[in-house]
Amino acid sequence: NAGVMQNPRHLVRRRGQEARLRCSPVKGHSHVYWYRQLPEEGLKFMVYLQKENIIDESGMPKERFSAEFPKEGPSILRIQQVVRGDSAAYFCASSGAVSNQPQHFGDGTRLSIL
Amino acid sequence: DQQVKQNSPSLSVQEGRISILNCDYTNSMFDYFLWYKKYPAEGPTFLISISSIKDKNEDGRFTVFLNKSAKHLSLHIVPSQPGDSAVYFCAASGNSNSGYALNFGKGTSLLVTP
Repeated sequence: NAGVMQNPRHLVRRRGQEARLRCSPVKGHSHVYWYRQLPEEGLKFMVYLQKENIIDESGMPKERFSAEFPKEGPSILRIQQVVRGDSAAYFCASSGAVSNQPQHFGDGTRLSIL
Repeated sequence: DQQVKQNSPSLSVQEGRISILNCDYTNSMFDYFLWYKKYPAEGPTFLISISSIKDKNEDGRFTVFLNKSAKHLSLHIVPSQPGDSAVYFCAASGNSNSGYALNFGKGTSLLVTP
């Protein structure tokens, strides 16, 4: 049973480049969430998606960040024109239902901006 | 606005003894609470959860207690084992606009010594 798969595990980008982070949820899970963890902090909610729909992006910066969960393929978190402050660990989680069900997390993508 | 607080950044316990990790929350709309365990360079692993209709949930060596009037929950691990050494995150969600979004504390680093 594969859990949540994220790739790449580590990503290095220069300022101004684009970063693409991928997430394949647990098989059968249709709810995907993205979180960001800054050093010495807890995880912060960014966005919640279902297949082909963004349900809630209230935790995501208004500019440069976007997310999608297409009908086929993994969910993608895209950061355009990266800046140093985007350096963080980005975690994806999935669940089988939206309420009172634990979210299961991938091992994250560690994004470093040079 | 930190709605979930873990006031002890670290805790050291001897093997075989009980570990008690504490968590406080401020949002009375939270109705689902979870504990996650995290090793370095890995994603959070779900441990145990509790719904607000209960005050205790037990799973093997792990027990979570919820005191709604005090807005406090705790995780008890007994007996503690060296493999339990990790960072433990408390998380909560509820019937708010983003009811599915998990709100995380900053974590407590548990060290279980032989």
